[in-house]
Amino acid sequence: DTEVTQTPKHLVMGMTNKKSLKCEQHMGHRAMYWYKQKAKKPPELMFVYSYEKLSINESVPSRFSPECPNSSLLNLHLHALQPEDSALYLCASSLTGQGDEKLFFGSGTQLSVL
Amino acid sequence: QKEVEQDPGPLSVPEGAIVSLNCTYSNSAFQYFMWYRQYSRKGPELLMYTYSSGNKEDGRFTAQVDKSSKYISLFIRDSQPSDSATYLCAMESNFGNEKLTFGTGTRLTIIP
Repeated sequence: DTEVTQTPKHLVMGMTNKKSLKCEQHMGHRAMYWYKQKAKKPPELMFVYSYEKLSINESVPSRFSPECPNSSLLNLHLHALQPEDSALYLCASSLTGQGDEKLFFGSGTQLSVL
Repeated sequence: QKEVEQDPGPLSVPEGAIVSLNCTYSNSAFQYFMWYRQYSRKGPELLMYTYSSGNKEDGRFTAQVDKSSKYISLFIRDSQPSDSATYLCAMESNFGNEKLTFGTGTRLTIIP
């Protein structure tokens, strides 16, 4: 299994809603990532978990809250988002997160904030 | 100056043509070089992975790295309509716990 699975594929939410994005991988990878991608732009790193510990937080607003319950699962909790947060949210995984590793991406969650 | 520069295109070529996609970079610490293919509304898919300078071939795809010129290329031979996508170069140093730096992506269309 070389897949990173993300749910839901699409999400529409209001600015007062609370929602969560989910990501799962069963490749035995110990590093998991959240990226945000706006249209016609490259992915921007948000968070990295390495061995279930948050190792990188790219100064992301607190309305985005990541969670890594175990080595296979990664969540992104969303609360009080703004319309400019509308984007494709990508989860990725790699072996250890210690550099020189291949990143495997999921298909993403297309988020629209109204 | 951006760390990684990539021509955003769009680039349109006829089916069967050879496609050349390029990136330049400024950080001499980059050692690992990747090309990702991204179809519309999908996640990036790793196509090629190269360490340091040299060439790597995989089927119709060839990746070249010239560290002395800080220049990387991806060649696609016998291009097919299914190759139509955005191609992102990405690179990383070997200092551990460093993030991947992406180019802006080149939109490629192969015309049947």
